[in-house]
Amino acid sequence: QIQVVQSGPEMRKPGASVKVSCKTSGYRFTTSGITWVRRAPGKGLEWMGWVSTSSDMSNYAQKFRGRVTMTTDTPTSTAYMELRSLRSDDTAVYYCARNNYGSRLDYWGQGTLVTVSS
Amino acid sequence: QSVLTQPPSVSGTPGQTVTISCSGSYSNIGSGDLYWYRHLPGAAPQLLIYNNDQRPSGVPDRFSGSKSGTSGSLALSGLLSEDESDYFCAAWDGSLNALVFGGGTKLTVL
Repeated sequence: QIQVVQSGPEMRKPGASVKVSCKTSGYRFTTSGITWVRRAPGKGLEWMGWVSTSSDMSNYAQKFRGRVTMTTDTPTSTAYMELRSLRSDDTAVYYCARNNYGSRLDYWGQGTLVTVSS
Repeated sequence: QSVLTQPPSVSGTPGQTVTISCSGSYSNIGSGDLYWYRHLPGAAPQLLIYNNDQRPSGVPDRFSGSKSGTSGSLALSGLLSEDESDYFCAAWDGSLNALVFGGGTKLTVL
């Protein structure tokens, strides 16, 4: 069965960076891209970007360009999202999801809480 | 301010049918497919509807989606207490080159 498992909660100070991992199993990793979405307290779902698992392509939301890098490691079927220059309003639960055809996000990780506080 | 507009909340009693609307523009809903997700904070989001009206396997047929022009809706029939959650519509926006979500609708089962 398909599984998506993310790394554990993180706490960072403002200005620091965080790297969240997303390990997949149960399907051929290179057949679907990975999308990252976050949800801040009291807010809705927010698309951060997408990374291809079969090429060097990626597409980041305008809001995060210059601060985010999404990468993949095919041998371990793992995707990573690094967010830099963290601010308090980056406090959120970050989710990765398998991006099936189109914008179909059909399998999601359990979420990673990132807390940014001094 | 979200690109897609949803009502902040809807409510219904067990067994009723409720509908959640999602309004966009030509650059998103009007030119592509509409998706629906539900998310209970603390759990993983779940895909309910893809390609406007298709249900993934495992999603009950109590959930149905539709789209017309630049808007769409999600209908839940035979409401259950376990349906209480936040519901989000989503669509690809060709002008922004981004996936956009609605602001979310909180469903309360009275």
